[in-house]
Amino acid sequence: AQSVTQPDIHITVSEGASLELRCNYSYGATPYLFWYVQSPGQGLQLLLKYFSGDTLVQGIKGFEAEFKRSQSSFNLRKPSVHWSDAAEYFCAVGAGNAGNMLTFGGGTRLMVKP
Amino acid sequence: ETGVTQTPRHLVMGMTNKKSLKCEQHLGHNAMYWYKQSAKKPLELMFVYNFKEQTENNSVPSRFSPECPNSSHLFLHLHTLQPEDSALYLCASSQDNRLQYFGPGTRLTVL
Repeated sequence: AQSVTQPDIHITVSEGASLELRCNYSYGATPYLFWYVQSPGQGLQLLLKYFSGDTLVQGIKGFEAEFKRSQSSFNLRKPSVHWSDAAEYFCAVGAGNAGNMLTFGGGTRLMVKP
Repeated sequence: ETGVTQTPRHLVMGMTNKKSLKCEQHLGHNAMYWYKQSAKKPLELMFVYNFKEQTENNSVPSRFSPECPNSSHLFLHLHTLQPEDSALYLCASSQDNRLQYFGPGTRLTVL
């Protein structure tokens, strides 16, 4: 069975600083990988996805993620964090024939200092 | 309305009550999903419907009963719930079975 680990439960960064959120997955085949963001009281918004091809994927709001098969990782990065990026971030792996059986990590809560 | 909507946004119910959660998607998708998000656990997939047919039941207790009358609507019928069922229930939909779009969720509290 697939699994996703987000090692950092909380991260605090200063506004304008760079950000990297870690995600490691376990899955027997080529994974479909996703990053979602959730603001308080809201549903999940898709930031970016990896299905195949270029291992560096660009998403919305200036985020990017890199798929590294050798490390089973799909870390999320942003060069300069804005206060509005404070939220909870979830990494997910899609399994099943259609890749729609999503398994989520436990999430990383990002706080941004002024 | 656009995207995925869920009603009600908040619900408080007793253990003997029967209530229903509603999800509607305005995206023309053909697959819909229910997820449970608890405070202490990762998001858990509960049910998957493709073309109105249930294709996945992730070992969910029978006190949760889904219904998908058409590709745009999904219900979750609740009865005799337990306090540990209190959570945020999220609905999602997809067209290509991989890109899921989520609704805002229903915050459920079981007393």
